[in-house]
Amino acid sequence: AQSVTQLGSHVSVSEGALVLLRCNYSSSVPPYLFWYVQYPNQGLQLLLKYTSAATLVKGINGFEAEFKKSETSFHLTKPSAHMSDAAEYFCAVTISGTYKYIFGTGTRLKVLA
Amino acid sequence: KAGVTQTPRYLIKTRGQQVTLSCSPISGHRSVSWYQQTPGQGLQFLFEYFSETQRNKGNFPGRFSGRQFSNSRSEMNVSTLELGDSALYLCASSLGDGPATDTQYFGPGTRLTVL
Repeated sequence: AQSVTQLGSHVSVSEGALVLLRCNYSSSVPPYLFWYVQYPNQGLQLLLKYTSAATLVKGINGFEAEFKKSETSFHLTKPSAHMSDAAEYFCAVTISGTYKYIFGTGTRLKVLA
Repeated sequence: KAGVTQTPRYLIKTRGQQVTLSCSPISGHRSVSWYQQTPGQGLQFLFEYFSETQRNKGNFPGRFSGRQFSNSRSEMNVSTLELGDSALYLCASSLGDGPATDTQYFGPGTRLTVL
């Protein structure tokens, strides 16, 4: 069975500082990994996804994530936080043929002025 | 292109009642997935439908059921509501081709409150 663990339910960073949101996965077969963002009272929006084409994945709004098989990690980073990045972020995993996405419990990012 | 729409957006029910939520996918999408979102639990997968067939389901009691119509619109039903069913219910639509080439697009959700 697949699973994801997001370390830190709340993360605070100063505006302009590095954003690092952690996600570790568990899967017995090659996984597909995703990062989604959710703004208040809205659904989830895809930031980026890993499909094995490249280990460093670039997404929207300046975010990127690196797939590290040896560490079973898929951490999300952004070099410089902006106030508009304040939201909840979810890591998710799936494998081919299951049509089932497993989500982490989310990390709420707060950006301090 | 219109996004995923969910109706109603807010719902208040009492214990023991039943409820039906609706999801209209993006035009051309044949897969609809449903999730329950609660604070601290994240999103829990309920079920996925493709061309009117359920392809997978999560670990929820039989009180939770769903269906998909020939136009890809989907409904989920919860019978005998319990207080713990209070949550944001999200649906997501996609082409249904699989994660290598596909992307899930989420609706805004239906906020269900059970009193």
